[in-house]
This record gives sequence, structure tokens and C-alpha cells, in this order.
Amino acid sequence: DQQVKQNSPSLSVQEGRISILNCDYTNSMFDYFLWYKKYPAEGPTFLISISSIKDKNEDGRFTVFLNKSAKHLSLHIVPSQPGDSAVYFCAAVHGAQKLVFGQGTRLTINP
Amino acid sequence: DAGITQSPRYKITETGRQVTLMCHQTWSHSYMFWYRQDLGHGLRLIYYSAAADITDKGEVPDGYVVSRSKTENFPLTLESATRSQTSVYFCASRWTGGEQFFGPGTRLTVL
Repeated sequence: DQQVKQNSPSLSVQEGRISILNCDYTNSMFDYFLWYKKYPAEGPTFLISISSIKDKNEDGRFTVFLNKSAKHLSLHIVPSQPGDSAVYFCAAVHGAQKLVFGQGTRLTINP
Repeated sequence: DAGITQSPRYKITETGRQVTLMCHQTWSHSYMFWYRQDLGHGLRLIYYSAAADITDKGEVPDGYVVSRSKTENFPLTLESATRSQTSVYFCASRWTGGEQFFGPGTRLTVL
């Protein structure tokens, strides 16, 4: 039972445009959501998070949107830069329990 | 250096051999985790630990053993390695809530 799903294995975006990565979840008990970024041969690194009491959180070029009624969150990167090319994982958690990760989306930023 | 480290970074072994992957963190985080990353599956939790001497199974625990005698160390042992355990393994740690910090990963190949 995949509680967190990233349905797009890959995404290609032109440099300077907006990248939108999507994530769906099924467990309504999740109350905190995170995005991680992963470069090849490195561990995932934390990017941005959002609590279920908010619907938007912004940090520089990165914005995460949460739609609780649709059980959907998205990560917007604008403008996209070549260094943003990586695999992005969304994750969700309920309280102090274990993070549940999606399958990841490989983002490629083209010059 | 402060942070979370894994050793070895690369390991090749043969079917049936015992292999131990090491994980060490310097933050005194209470929680520690072991994940494996496989194409199409994202990050799957193998085992986790909420504190020293407390461990619990994750999503894919079969064939793995963990221990946590000290807060800072969380070794993962494959008692009799199989080809299906060829993967990239990530250790992570965190406080009770919030983001997890990941190690750089161990690439394990079982021949």
C-alpha cells in the first residue's frame, strides 16, 4: 500500500521556467510533509517542509503547496536552474512516527 | 566532523556472506533509520530505532539485522547476503520530530 505517491518518474524543464513536482498521499493522519533533493552518489538533503495547518510555505525559489482536501502537495521551483537537476522525494509523517517517502521524480533542467 | 557518516561507501560481496554496514552520527539524535533505494521504489525503510536498545522493523526488514548499543551507532547486518539485496543503503537520523538527515550512502553489490 503506497501511502505517498509521486506519479511522474521524470520531468524535463527548460532553464528559467517553472518546475512543478507533484505528490499525492492517502493517509489523512499525516500532519507534516517534506521535500528532499538527491544528487547522484549523495544522500538526500532536506529542501523544504510544510505543516498541515498551512497551505503554503516559501523559501527563496522553492514553494510548497498543500491541498489537504485533495491530499495533494506540490513543489514549485522558479526560476529553474541547472543545479536543480536531481531526484526529488516527497515524504509525509504523522507525529513522531516514521517518514513515508514517495518513489521520487527525476528533474532535468535543460539549458 | 559533526554529521552522519556511513562506511564503507562501496562494498562488493558474494551470495551467502555476512556483511555489516556502519552508521555513525554525532548529533545525539534519538532516532536512527536504515533505508534502501531501488529504482522504481524510492526509499524503503528497513529498520529504525527510537533510542539505544530500542529497534523496530520497517517496510522491508527480511534478511537484515540491526542493533543499537550506543546512541551514535546503528549498524545494519546482512546475515547471508542475497542478490536481491544489491542496492544503495542510506542511514538517517533525527530528533523526535522534524527533518531527517541522511548519510552519503553505501552502494552494495552482491554477486
